Amino acid sequence: TQLLEQSPQFLSIQEGENLTVYCNSSSVFSSLQWYRQEPGEGPVLLVTVVTGGEVKKLKRLTFQFGDARKDSSLHITAAQPGDTGLYLCAGVEQAGTALIFGKGTTLSVSS
Amino acid sequence: DAGVIQSPRHEVTEMGQEVTLRCKPISGHDYLFWYRQTMMRGLELLIYFNNNVPIDDSGMPEDRFSAKMPNASFSTLKIQPSEPRDSAVYFCASSLGSSQTTDTQYFGPGTRLTVL
Repeated sequence: TQLLEQSPQFLSIQEGENLTVYCNSSSVFSSLQWYRQEPGEGPVLLVTVVTGGEVKKLKRLTFQFGDARKDSSLHITAAQPGDTGLYLCAGVEQAGTALIFGKGTTLSVSS
Repeated sequence: DAGVIQSPRHEVTEMGQEVTLRCKPISGHDYLFWYRQTMMRGLELLIYFNNNVPIDDSGMPEDRFSAKMPNASFSTLKIQPSEPRDSAVYFCASSLGSSQTTDTQYFGPGTRLTVL
């Protein structure tokens, strides 16, 4: 059983559309991170959220940490082909423990 | 800064052969992590080092896997003997500190390993 469940697994949309991807768990996390990974490269950190209910924005990307710190969402407004990639969430259950990754959402944005 | 450097980028070998993957972390980073990524299991932590000392190797799948960090600028992950189920992309990452909240992990480009 995966500790962090991401959905959907795959998402294919047209340029200009909005989308939301989800990261859910039955466990509480002290912090949660979102990464983007492009083909042939390693994951790159986008954001870290640490407070329940926290919302962070990065240009067209909006990240939210659930109030109970068990889930998170990533919303992209007006998606562009450059947003294409694998989006991974990763969490830390308690300080000093290892980062746990979800399997990711593969996003494809076509022009 | 060149970032985390991994070599080789691709490795194809036959079952039973020894495989050595190499990593050069970002200069000044005290922590080095080895991960494995597969479609089935996603990204999994294998082992991590602090100041060249292995801290947690609980993710190493079995005795066929070993990792060393002889100095601050070099680490190896060895598989001996290799098996087809070891086929995956292996990532090395480094960070200044161990706090997942404040210390960003920087990933290398990965080594794609195929064991025939």
